[in-house]
Amino acid sequence: DVVMTQSPLSLPVTPGQPASISCRSSQSLVYNNGNTYLTWFQRRPGQSPRRLIYNVSNRDSGVPDRFSGSGSGTDFQLKISRVETEDVAVYYCMQGTHWPWTFGQGTKVEIK
Amino acid sequence: EVQLVESGGGFVKPGGSLRLSCAVSGLSFSNAWMTWVRQAPGKGLEWVGRIMSKTDGGTVEYGAPVKGRFTISRDDSKNTLYLQMNSLKTEDTGVYYCTTDLLGPWEPFWGQGTLVTVSS
Repeated sequence: DVVMTQSPLSLPVTPGQPASISCRSSQSLVYNNGNTYLTWFQRRPGQSPRRLIYNVSNRDSGVPDRFSGSGSGTDFQLKISRVETEDVAVYYCMQGTHWPWTFGQGTKVEIK
Repeated sequence: EVQLVESGGGFVKPGGSLRLSCAVSGLSFSNAWMTWVRQAPGKGLEWVGRIMSKTDGGTVEYGAPVKGRFTISRDDSKNTLYLQMNSLKTEDTGVYYCTTDLLGPWEPFWGQGTLVTVSS
């Protein structure tokens, strides 16, 4: 199975400051059609997960533009340009290129 | 409004069985590719499996921990997704969510989750 490794696992941030989460896969996530099926999810306390980013860098509808995704191959990042208190959550990357799909361990973003 | 409502969770002993249901409304269920995701207490999200629409072949894929024990199926006439769980283990304890396609360009919809507890 493809192993997804996130870092850091805990990320204290000051509101208004940027934050970055890394996600590395044990194999390239480029599918044979050229797409890279790397997604990012946000899990706020007490809520069902929500997808933020698909195919590395495409934001879902309604996702604030302070969230951005980047990367290629095996190295990916989720960046929050200016953290707001509502961004307190656990963030997960997930690969959908190889069966079975696999999630990273999650990164807990909390306010300092 | 799109709604996904899971049911069927509960308490079961190791080795037992349980069937979860996910009733879907507000979208064209027969065309939807559906996924089950779970989360054990204090742990992260874990992909359980996915079923394609019948028009796209109806193929089902499973995560390694559940392969051979869990079966995903669908009844398009009832707009319902199922997860049949057999030979349950304590490590299957967690909240189970059904979702629409996690990879496509349309935002996935999630249910509220149903709790499964496997314990002696």
